[in-house]
Amino acid sequence: QLQLVQSGTEVKKPGSSVNVSCKAAGGTFSSYSINWVRQAPGQGLEWVGGILPVLDTTKYAQKFQGRVTITASESTSTAYMELTNLRSEDTAVYYCAKDRDLLRTGWHFDLWGRGTLVTVSS
Amino acid sequence: EIVLTQSPGTLSLSPGDRVTLSCRASQSLTNNYLAWYQQKPGQAPRLLIHAASRRATGIPDRFSGSGSGTDFTLTISRLEPDDFAVYYCEQYGNSNPLTFGGGTKVEIK
Repeated sequence: QLQLVQSGTEVKKPGSSVNVSCKAAGGTFSSYSINWVRQAPGQGLEWVGGILPVLDTTKYAQKFQGRVTITASESTSTAYMELTNLRSEDTAVYYCAKDRDLLRTGWHFDLWGRGTLVTVSS
Repeated sequence: EIVLTQSPGTLSLSPGDRVTLSCRASQSLTNNYLAWYQQKPGQAPRLLIHAASRRATGIPDRFSGSGSGTDFTLTISRLEPDDFAVYYCEQYGNSNPLTFGGGTKVEIK
């Protein structure tokens, strides 16, 4: 059964970058996109962006344009999210999530990773 | 950007109660592309409903979704202890990027 396995907790300084990974265990991405959704402490959900690995196309929320890069390796079934120029407001749990629908990016998500806590603090 | 407003913010209820959660969109949603998620503390969200009324795989039939245009509802016919959680709506599939509502917390009375 497909699971999404994320990398571990990160603590970063303001102005630095973080790279979070998400590996599809027990299967592959196939023709589904992998998206990143974050949740600040005690807050709601916010879509960051996504990638459709089979076509290597990406979509990003406007808020994060220029600061986020999402990539994927089909050979290792792993997706990555790099967020640069970190600030304290980026402190959040970052989830990777698989789109339910084929060949769609940023639609709705039927499989989620457990989340990676990224803390930005001086 | 399409803004989703969920109400109420918190509901205090008892097991066995019927629950109705509201989600209102700032503009009409194409093809009623609205989803509902359940999130429990320390866990990732779980997809309950997509396309406004279609239950996701494995979701019990006590969960149902309805609505169209700008007004949508998630109903839980009889609350079970496992249903106390935060519920989010999400709009997708429009020319605008997806957005989530602020959530409704369903807590034990």
